[in-house]
Amino acid sequence: GIQVEQSPPDLILQEGANSTLRCNFSDSVNNLQWFHQNPWGQLINLFYIPSGTKQNGRLSATTVATERYSLLYISSSQTTDSGVYFCAVDLNSGYSTLTFGKGTMLLVSP
Amino acid sequence: DTEVTQTPKHLVMGMTNKKSLKCEQHMGHRAMYWYKQKAKKPPELMFVYSYEKLSINESVPSRFSPECPNSSLLNLHLHALQPEDSALYLCASSQAGVFDEQYFGPGTRLTVT
Repeated sequence: GIQVEQSPPDLILQEGANSTLRCNFSDSVNNLQWFHQNPWGQLINLFYIPSGTKQNGRLSATTVATERYSLLYISSSQTTDSGVYFCAVDLNSGYSTLTFGKGTMLLVSP
Repeated sequence: DTEVTQTPKHLVMGMTNKKSLKCEQHMGHRAMYWYKQKAKKPPELMFVYSYEKLSINESVPSRFSPECPNSSLLNLHLHALQPEDSALYLCASSQAGVFDEQYFGPGTRLTVT
């Protein structure tokens, strides 16, 4: 099956700092999503981005499909950004069977 | 509205109990999913329903029995579970189209005693 690797596994930031999270995947994908899992377990959709660049407030993401990686940028981090960030990919269309990376655990301290 | 709801939020059950988890969406999505997430691990796919038919069963033990009564509802029936089945159970839905973004519910945190 498809392999998804995320880096770094853990990240500690001071409030206000910027960061870049990376997701590498082993095959061409039809679907790539970034999620933020909050401490209560809710998976929050950040981006649906199988290719290209998107921005939403302080967050942006870029997927270079031909080179099989995606980047999530967090600028001016806040304590509420703490949690686990997952990249998930899928080969299919029609319905998606997401394969998740192991996640990046982010802790933003005040 | 991009909301998927799940009930109950928490469930404690004994190994001889029978219980059900419920999931509902009103986004008109035609694909619904069950995932299992153990602590400090990523979610793992269990079942996929597409147009109310079971499309994928990822070799899940028969003590987990999914049901899709209609296009808005998804149930997971639990029977004779083991303590190692304790986990966060997440439901998701998507349009079942060519470009298929999944939306997740808040999950049910299950403890088997």
